[in-house]
Amino acid sequence: DIQMTQSPASLSASLGETVTIECRASEDIYNGLAWYQQKPGKSPQLLIYNANSLHTGVPSRFSGSGSGTQYSLKINSLQSEDVASYFCQQYYDYPWTFGGGTKLELK
Amino acid sequence: EVQLVESGGGLVQPGRSLKLSCAASGFTFSNYYMAWVRQAPKKGLEWVATISTSGSRTYYPDSVKGRFTISRDNAKSSLYLQMNSLKSEDTATYYCARLGITIAAFDYWGQGVMVTVSS
Repeated sequence: DIQMTQSPASLSASLGETVTIECRASEDIYNGLAWYQQKPGKSPQLLIYNANSLHTGVPSRFSGSGSGTQYSLKINSLQSEDVASYFCQQYYDYPWTFGGGTKLELK
Repeated sequence: EVQLVESGGGLVQPGRSLKLSCAASGFTFSNYYMAWVRQAPKKGLEWVATISTSGSRTYYPDSVKGRFTISRDNAKSSLYLQMNSLKSEDTATYYCARLGITIAAFDYWGQGVMVTVSS
């Protein structure tokens, strides 16, 4: 199985700041990676797919990058509504696997 | 508007069975792969099952293979998850999710349904 290691597990940042979350795969996943945002008490929502494609309706302050085994999610100009947990997921190979998550809070 | 509404959750004893349902609307259900994803309390996400558009192909992780069965009824725009031989570690919120046509990511999720396995 492909292991997804996400870092950091938690993060505190100020409004307007730029935040980066990392995800490392145990083997090459050839950009088969998605990022999801989950607000407290809500279901996850797709932000990024194919490592760097923005899902419909997602604000442009969110961006994804990376290749091979290393991927990242960047949030520019952090807003209060971005307080949430973020998960990466590989869909290159079965079983599909998720990172452990990053909890983003406001400083 | 895409809507996915799960039902059928609840409290069940270890070793017993439960069947979840997901009613889909707002899109042509038969054109999309569908899946179930679960989240244990205060934990991360775990993929549980995927089914092809016709239902002829299904995929599971080892943790549920042989115990869970995903199925669909395209005429009713409904997705199902039959869960047998339930264990305490199956306790989680179960989400119905749609897979994008051109991407393998989960592009829409239901609100989730809680399943508690306990004696």
